[in-house]
Amino acid sequence: DSGVTQTPKHLITATGQRVTLRCSPRSGDLSVYWYQQSLDQGLQFLIQYYNGEERAKGNILERFSAQQFPDLHSELNLSSLELGDSALYFCASSVGTGTYGYTFGSGTRLTVV
Amino acid sequence: GNSVTQMEGPVTLSEEAFLTINCTYTATGYPSLFWYVQYPGEGLQLLLKATKADDKGSNKGFEATYRKETTSFHLEKGSVQVSDSAVYFCALREQGGSEKLVFGKGMKLTVNP
Repeated sequence: DSGVTQTPKHLITATGQRVTLRCSPRSGDLSVYWYQQSLDQGLQFLIQYYNGEERAKGNILERFSAQQFPDLHSELNLSSLELGDSALYFCASSVGTGTYGYTFGSGTRLTVV
Repeated sequence: GNSVTQMEGPVTLSEEAFLTINCTYTATGYPSLFWYVQYPGEGLQLLLKATKADDKGSNKGFEATYRKETTSFHLEKGSVQVSDSAVYFCALREQGGSEKLVFGKGMKLTVNP
């Protein structure tokens, strides 16, 4: 157990639907990073939050959004889902900005049918 | 922008064979460099890291040296085991801004007994 908890582990949904992925960072970590892993694109950075504030955006689609709550857990919302959104979504956390390393969760596998 | 290029494989080796996975990077400044490993069905685990030129990271028999002159961070292991079968990712940590991780595409290694 890495200390980063992601739920659910698996999610199957239909095109056009909306889903929410949840991440609880390791205790004491203030930063949360979301990554998408797909066969063709590899691991792509989506977005980072630090202590409740958005800090950086990567290749995140407008249909996707995220937030970090006061208890530091984060949610990634994916809407108007398309087949191409099927991927493994990872959350990682770090104490600050990664100087001392990042801890990854085990991921949520999203399948859009 | 910053990028990481690594051998993609897949690679199949026999137990006790020597392993090298090449990794080169393009970045401004002096990024920290990492190797992550992903075992089947699991999240990413930090294997080793190096934060400055000529640093050598090592863990579980794996080694990698930060070579600034060749912008490389090749991973080596003298004698692989079946349990080393996994996907290996080279990554750099960007400086400034989000300090997010930028990953290579990953290399799948299978070790046969």
